Amino acid sequence: AQSVSQHNHHVILSEAASLELGCNYSYGGTVNLFWYVQYPGQHLQLLLKYFSGDPLVKGIKGFEAEFIKSKFSFNLRKPSVQWSDTAEYFCAARYGRSYIPTFGRGTSLIVHP
Amino acid sequence: ETGVTQTPRHLVMGMTNKKSLKCEQHLGHNAMYWYKQSAKKPLELMFVYSLEERVENNSVPSRFSPECPNSSHLFLHLHTLQPEDSALYLCASSQEYSNEQFFGPGTRLTVL
Repeated sequence: AQSVSQHNHHVILSEAASLELGCNYSYGGTVNLFWYVQYPGQHLQLLLKYFSGDPLVKGIKGFEAEFIKSKFSFNLRKPSVQWSDTAEYFCAARYGRSYIPTFGRGTSLIVHP
Repeated sequence: ETGVTQTPRHLVMGMTNKKSLKCEQHLGHNAMYWYKQSAKKPLELMFVYSLEERVENNSVPSRFSPECPNSSHLFLHLHTLQPEDSALYLCASSQEYSNEQFFGPGTRLTVL
């Protein structure tokens, strides 16, 4: 079955630390990949997405993600986190021509000031 | 603001009540979705309407009934719910094949 795995369920960092959140997908064909963020009390919003082309994708707020096809991975990174990055982060994949996405279970990030 | 609105934002209901959640999108999208977000669980896709056809997750109980009268509006009708149905219900929309979803703020549902 198609799935998305986020291995880190809870991450706690201090401000200025570097961040990497893991995401692995299961399908070997065409895949579109997304990272969404949900700040406390706010709606889910898109951070970045990968459809094709350059495997290193830049998103909003200094986030980036790298698509590594050989590893079925799409890890999210930020070189220096801020307290305001405290949020829930969701990786999602859309396989083939389906408009139905598959979400990971999310990673809760807490950044201490 | 994402262009997707949901009402009400909070709802408390008893197990014998009947209520409806409403979602409206102002983005011209042709696919709309209902998700259930429970604490410590993955986002659960409940229903999808695309080009006014319905796709559903077969594990969703029949006490949840969706309605999509047109491409801009989506409802979730609730009846005889259980306490374990308490969750945040999210609506989203997308343009088919453009893939990015836009989410509403959600309805926080509490079933007593």
